[in-house]
Amino acid sequence: LAKTTQPISMDSYEGQEVNITCSHNNIATNDYITWYQQFPSQGPRFIIQGYKTKVTNEVASLFIPADRKSSTLSLPRVSLSDTAVYYCLVGPVLGGFKTIFGAGTRLFVKA
Amino acid sequence: NAGVTQTPKFQVLKTGQSMTLQCAQDMNHEYMSWYRQDPGMGLRLIHYSVGAGITDQGEVPNGYNVSRSTTEDFPLRLLSAAPSQTSVYFCASSSYGTSGGSDTQYFGPGTRLTVL
Repeated sequence: LAKTTQPISMDSYEGQEVNITCSHNNIATNDYITWYQQFPSQGPRFIIQGYKTKVTNEVASLFIPADRKSSTLSLPRVSLSDTAVYYCLVGPVLGGFKTIFGAGTRLFVKA
Repeated sequence: NAGVTQTPKFQVLKTGQSMTLQCAQDMNHEYMSWYRQDPGMGLRLIHYSVGAGITDQGEVPNGYNVSRSTTEDFPLRLLSAAPSQTSVYFCASSSYGTSGGSDTQYFGPGTRLTVL
């Protein structure tokens, strides 16, 4: 299973766009990239998933370059409630539930 | 739908005691997993199941047992609790991505376990 590397923590201010980059150099051909968000005392929650190029939903955008060795989660105009830990996971179509959660990126949004 | 439910929310055990953490899902998902999360750390996979009657070990299985007699339920048993098992335990369920993507996991609210 592909290992991921992401920054330990990031700070931002309300209203700014936040980009969190994840490195996954040994991503396999059939791997997808998935991001989860975890608030204190809660289980992780799915944010977005993609395979290549760009994916956008009502919460975030995910940018994946052609070589797929990295990906960037973009959160537009963050608010205080976006303060959380963000996990980047890489896993196959089948068995993706066995992917590894790293330590994630702790995002602090300040007023 | 209630999603994924876990009981109890909090539990304190003494070293050597045994107990079962309950997990249930009402989404008819094939896959269910148990994770533990220690303070400031990511989640580590304990055991998982790909369907009723089928279970397998994850990254940190020692000291834990699981069974899956129904699609809905996936209990986690601590055989003889140790202080090193003090952690927050999350249960998750998932299904093959409807869009053809990787499995999207749905997590329960967690059980905070303290072993004295």
